[in-house]
Amino acid sequence: AQKVTQAQTEISVVEKEDVTLDCVYETRDTTYYLFWYKQPPSGELVFLIRRNSFDEQNEISGRYSWNFQKSTSSFNFTITASQVVDSAVYFCALSAAGSNYQLIWGAGTKLIIKP
Amino acid sequence: GAVVSQHPSRVICKSGTSVKIECRSLDFQATTMFWYRQFPKKSLMLMATSNEGSKATYEQGVEKDKFLINHASLTLSTLTVTSAHPEDSSFYICSARNQGGLRNEQFFGPGTRLTVL
Repeated sequence: AQKVTQAQTEISVVEKEDVTLDCVYETRDTTYYLFWYKQPPSGELVFLIRRNSFDEQNEISGRYSWNFQKSTSSFNFTITASQVVDSAVYFCALSAAGSNYQLIWGAGTKLIIKP
Repeated sequence: GAVVSQHPSRVICKSGTSVKIECRSLDFQATTMFWYRQFPKKSLMLMATSNEGSKATYEQGVEKDKFLINHASLTLSTLTVTSAHPEDSSFYICSARNQGGLRNEQFFGPGTRLTVL
């Protein structure tokens, strides 16, 4: 069975602090893909990253970085020097052949950045 | 590229009426589209997978007679909420898979907020 766990329901930090959103996944497939999406109050999903299971290199994009560790089945997302505009709900998701590449979603983490 | 639109973005209707939501892939052909429902403060829940020219595949617990899905062309899928009731109020999101793209890639529409009075 495929499963994605985002244990942090809500995180609140003060602007300019670094914050890490956790994502733990379960799958028996050897080939799979992991995603992060941002959902601001408007509701529209914003794609942030896709990572395949064969690429464990960490990725950095501006203030965003992702740490993929197959040994712990985790794909954590860090925002450095957070800004108020980062406030949103963030979803981690998994896609694999075992689920016909349907997206399996985590429960989401609501991130609140206080000025 | 890879833009998906939804119309309307917001709809308010009276109980008992039917509401149609359109999902269009604007710059690519989508053999497969997905319909999701999102309750407040919850994650996305897949309702059905829509394949062009064939019947939609509904997830367990989703009433196919309540949520009619039609995928008549490679760029358009519609979701009709029939005889809507207040409990159908929700945020509905569609996504589309590019016919010539990766199977693991979905492009999302902006969502439709349905309020049934």
